[in-house]
Amino acid sequence: AQSVSQHNHHVILSEAASLELGCNYSYGGTVNLFWYVQYPGQHLQLLLKYFSGDPLVKGIKGFEAEFIKSKFSFNLRKPSVQWSDTAEYFCAVNAGNQGGKLIFGQGTELSVKP
Amino acid sequence: DTAVSQTPKYLVTQMGNDKSIKCEQNLGHDTMYWYKQDSKKFLKIMFSYNNKELIINETVPNRFSPKSPDKAHLNLHINSLELGDSAVYFCASSQVFTGEQYFGPGTRLTVT
Repeated sequence: AQSVSQHNHHVILSEAASLELGCNYSYGGTVNLFWYVQYPGQHLQLLLKYFSGDPLVKGIKGFEAEFIKSKFSFNLRKPSVQWSDTAEYFCAVNAGNQGGKLIFGQGTELSVKP
Repeated sequence: DTAVSQTPKYLVTQMGNDKSIKCEQNLGHDTMYWYKQDSKKFLKIMFSYNNKELIINETVPNRFSPKSPDKAHLNLHINSLELGDSAVYFCASSQVFTGEQYFGPGTRLTVT
């Protein structure tokens, strides 16, 4: 069965620190990869996506992610976090033949201290 | 304009009751979804519809019945509510079958 694993349950950083959130998935075929963010009290929003091409993708608000096929990983990075980045971050996978079905990781809660 | 809207935002009800959650999208998308987010914030797909046709039904108890009157609406009806149904339910939509989905604000269902 397909699954998505996020390495960290809760990450606490100070402002200006660098961020890397790990995500690994298990699926042998072609996948589309996503990071979604859920700010406190808000709905999920797409942060960035990877379908094909350049494995380093850039998203909104200075976030980027790198797809490493050999490691089945899609880690999220940001060079310098801000207090406003405090949110829950979800990695998700969509297999090409699964009708839009998103499989989510457990989520990582990011707390940024001002 | 809200792209994906859900009503109600909060729903508190007693065990055994029947309740419905409504979802509407104004993005012109063909595909709509229901996801359940449990108390640990884990998100799991329940259903998807494409142009009013059921595409995905993820081993959800048959007390849950989605209904899509048109491709802009996907409602979720839940019969005989149980304590374990307490969760946040998110509606989402996408253009055809893609993981690039737009989510609604969620409906927090509390069953007492």
